[in-house]
Amino acid sequence: GAVVSQHPSRVICKSGTSVKIECRSLDFQATTMFWYRQFPKKSLMLMATSNEGSKATYEQGVEKDKFLINHASLTLSTLTVTSAHPEDSSFYICSARDSHSGNTEAFFGQGTRLTVV
Amino acid sequence: GENVEQHPSTLSVQEGDSAVIKCTYSDSASNYFPWYKQELGKRPQLIIDIRSNVGEKKDQRIAVTLNKTAKHFSLHITETQPEDSAVYFCAADSSFGNEKLTFGTGTRLTIIP
Repeated sequence: GAVVSQHPSRVICKSGTSVKIECRSLDFQATTMFWYRQFPKKSLMLMATSNEGSKATYEQGVEKDKFLINHASLTLSTLTVTSAHPEDSSFYICSARDSHSGNTEAFFGQGTRLTVV
Repeated sequence: GENVEQHPSTLSVQEGDSAVIKCTYSDSASNYFPWYKQELGKRPQLIIDIRSNVGEKKDQRIAVTLNKTAKHFSLHITETQPEDSAVYFCAADSSFGNEKLTFGTGTRLTIIP
């Protein structure tokens, strides 16, 4: 099946620094990718919709200047957590659907566990 | 926007028994309803899905039913096995056609050997 690769899987950073997370669709193209945040034992909370070649659409309450999203190609979306703080520590996960096959299944990356110290 | 509610939040069943998880959604225009299984520390994996033009779908021990009128859908797992232990999420797609999924709050299923 289709594969979505997310990197890094784990990252520890100091407060005030920025962290970039990559989400790649390896064998299909995705005009739209989605970024979620998941707290321990909680559901997947959609942060934003990443749109290839245009601005991301952010969900209510998500700071677009803090969580920068870039979708420069049909196979890559990046999420940059800027000026990270301990409360940004969480599990971030992306998903994508094959834009051209008509397959409705959403494939998830393996997730990134971010720890801000 | 879409709102998806899921119950129960935790469920324990004896191995071999059946498990049922229920979800309701708010947007009557939603037409795609997947179920995902997430094991600890891993990515969610699609286990079954259903579209609004179908009332029931089955895949071996897993089945999903959909009642569009009542706006609810359910996951049924029969002959449960220890490897079925995981967190299960239901989801509904957006009526805006932008592929966006809204997830339920999850059900932690524990199979007791």
